[in-house]
Amino acid sequence: EADIYQTPRYLVIGTGKKITLECSQTMGHDKMYWYQQDPGMELHLIHYSYGVNSTEKGDLSSESTVSRIRTEHFPLTLESARPSHTSQYLCASSELKPIEETQYFGPGTRLLVL
Amino acid sequence: RKEVEQDPGPFNVPEGATVAFNCTYSNSASQSFFWYRQDCRKEPKLLMSVYSSGNEDGRFTAQLNRASQYISLLIRDSKLSDSATYLCVVNNYGQNFVFGPGTRLSVLP
Repeated sequence: EADIYQTPRYLVIGTGKKITLECSQTMGHDKMYWYQQDPGMELHLIHYSYGVNSTEKGDLSSESTVSRIRTEHFPLTLESARPSHTSQYLCASSELKPIEETQYFGPGTRLLVL
Repeated sequence: RKEVEQDPGPFNVPEGATVAFNCTYSNSASQSFFWYRQDCRKEPKLLMSVYSSGNEDGRFTAQLNRASQYISLLIRDSKLSDSATYLCVVNNYGQNFVFGPGTRLSVLP
């Protein structure tokens, strides 16, 4: 089992609110990721980090921001939530290792913006 | 053209059937290959890594053909619980993991 956690698991919130989705892992992994996935659709990478103080934008443009102050923690923030942000957000981590690098996912946060 | 492509699916098979999924990738520098399984509204979970020599885990067999840039997953004696979306994933060290669009499998009683 992967030791990667996300909170909240479900969030219903009104338009314009600021929200932070939490992600933490206890595996000491260097790299962490945020993906967005709509039901029945593909995963889209929105942010990733190689380690502390490293943050990069992913393939899909997102209005969210991330921070990486501690190795184990990679929160995602939406300053002003909109209905178009309604989706599932999946956090993942991996240890940078040639050939053997494997990615593990948290259980996800399902976000509904009204 | 997508970097990782998979059979479009869905695959609807009876219990006990053998089913094979195919995946192709375009980046010849890719080094690591995986099959993940994703249940509806859940996170992807690692099913198996794919090695050059091919590998087997119970009813599941994965094969890699680097020359053709092709990965396969074979499921024998399929169970109802195998119903899920199967994701082909490719990685090059230091780069990001690239996920295929997935192939949905429904095993029918």
